Amino acid sequence: QMRLQESGPRLVRPSETLTLTCTVSGESLTSIPSYWTWIRQPPGKGLEFIANIYHRGDTYFSPSLKSRVSISADTSKNQFSLKLKSVTAADTATYFCARYDSSADSLAFDFWGPGIPVTVSS
Amino acid sequence: DIQMTQSPSSLSASVGDTVTISCRASDTIINSVHWYQQKPGGAPKFLVLSNARFKTAVPSRFSGGGGGTEFTLTIDSLQIDDCATYFCQQSDRLWTFGQGTRIEI
Repeated sequence: QMRLQESGPRLVRPSETLTLTCTVSGESLTSIPSYWTWIRQPPGKGLEFIANIYHRGDTYFSPSLKSRVSISADTSKNQFSLKLKSVTAADTATYFCARYDSSADSLAFDFWGPGIPVTVSS
Repeated sequence: DIQMTQSPSSLSASVGDTVTISCRASDTIINSVHWYQQKPGGAPKFLVLSNARFKTAVPSRFSGGGGGTEFTLTIDSLQIDDCATYFCQQSDRLWTFGQGTRIEI
């Protein structure tokens, strides 16, 4: 059974860079249909796609966050990471990592991590 | 981006009721629209496909339908365990979610 687990700081100061890591077990990061994704949810609000990465290195970003976001993968550790720079209070959210299955009969985020709450505050 | 607009934003129903949530896309969707269930403090859980095929792990009283720009999630015989927020999601152009519909019983 595939499992994803987010890790990283829960408190970040304004203007700093947030770095989060997702550790995947039960599935290889090089799995062909898998896009490894970061999604966030501000308190009491909806879900927002941030970025994802495909095993070939293809990356996709939310247009509204693209200038501040980078995503990378470490296949030796089966982990992928998100960096969000110049954070503000508006970046306070629960951050989820998820697997997007690009198989023709799926096209869905079928596995999710439990989420990590991140607060931006001085 | 394709914007996804859900309605209603919340609803209250009784056990045994049938409820329908709507999701309107800002442009025609060619691929599937998916639905997710999220309970307080938890991660979203993938529910059904918009062409009404659904995962074996999902109760058969959940079904999805629609096409083009209009999509629905219907829950038959509502149960206490269905209290949650439901989100629609498209993957035609990047990935976007609806703002959510909270179901209270």
